[in-house]
Amino acid sequence: DTGVSQDPRHKITKRGQNVTFRCDPISEHNRLYWYRQTLGQGPEFLTYFQNEAQLEKSRLLSDRFSAERPKGSFSTLEIQRTEQGDSAMYLCASSPLAGAYEQYFGPGTRLTVT
Amino acid sequence: RKEVEQDPGPFNVPEGATVAFNCTYSNSASQSFFWYRQDCRKEPKLLMSVYSSGNEDGRFTAQLNRASQYISLLIRDSKLSDSATYLCVVNAGGSNYKLTFGKGTLLTVNP
Repeated sequence: DTGVSQDPRHKITKRGQNVTFRCDPISEHNRLYWYRQTLGQGPEFLTYFQNEAQLEKSRLLSDRFSAERPKGSFSTLEIQRTEQGDSAMYLCASSPLAGAYEQYFGPGTRLTVT
Repeated sequence: RKEVEQDPGPFNVPEGATVAFNCTYSNSASQSFFWYRQDCRKEPKLLMSVYSSGNEDGRFTAQLNRASQYISLLIRDSKLSDSATYLCVVNAGGSNYKLTFGKGTLLTVNP
């Protein structure tokens, strides 16, 4: 399967704990994006990378959130001191460097903070 | 005004029906437009891009009206497998690569 992959698929954590999610984009895609989706809403943009450079961050990305893409391949999204409001589906997407703006999504990581 | 607004739905239609989804966007400088579908508890999947001239892919037709900042999706001869949430998506273009999604409209096609 050459699509976007994410790990883990589900994560249950207690409030105050730190969590880290991983995304592996489609191999030839230079751009990688993180979105968050809550029930009944469309995905909301969090941040994106072009190769290893983080080029844009949403104001939704509080200082408890950090994302990295150290070698321009996979990316991690870490949430520190989780809160119940962080419960959501975290989606990763990728797109090629050139051409159109379509993005291809991974299956997501569903986070539940208890 | 929200950046992307869609019909709230839900839509319940019988098999074979024609159903239309409407969407408006607020940023007149937006360059790229898409419809994604999302099955329950799954990721969004690109259904089709939307071009100014309108485009068709089998039973699906998408239209864009830049003057009215309006996007539509028409599904003809709907199938049970069309049941999903349909997301209207806009991109500002240029060096801005983020996608802005509507809330989505849930479609249920009934036998």
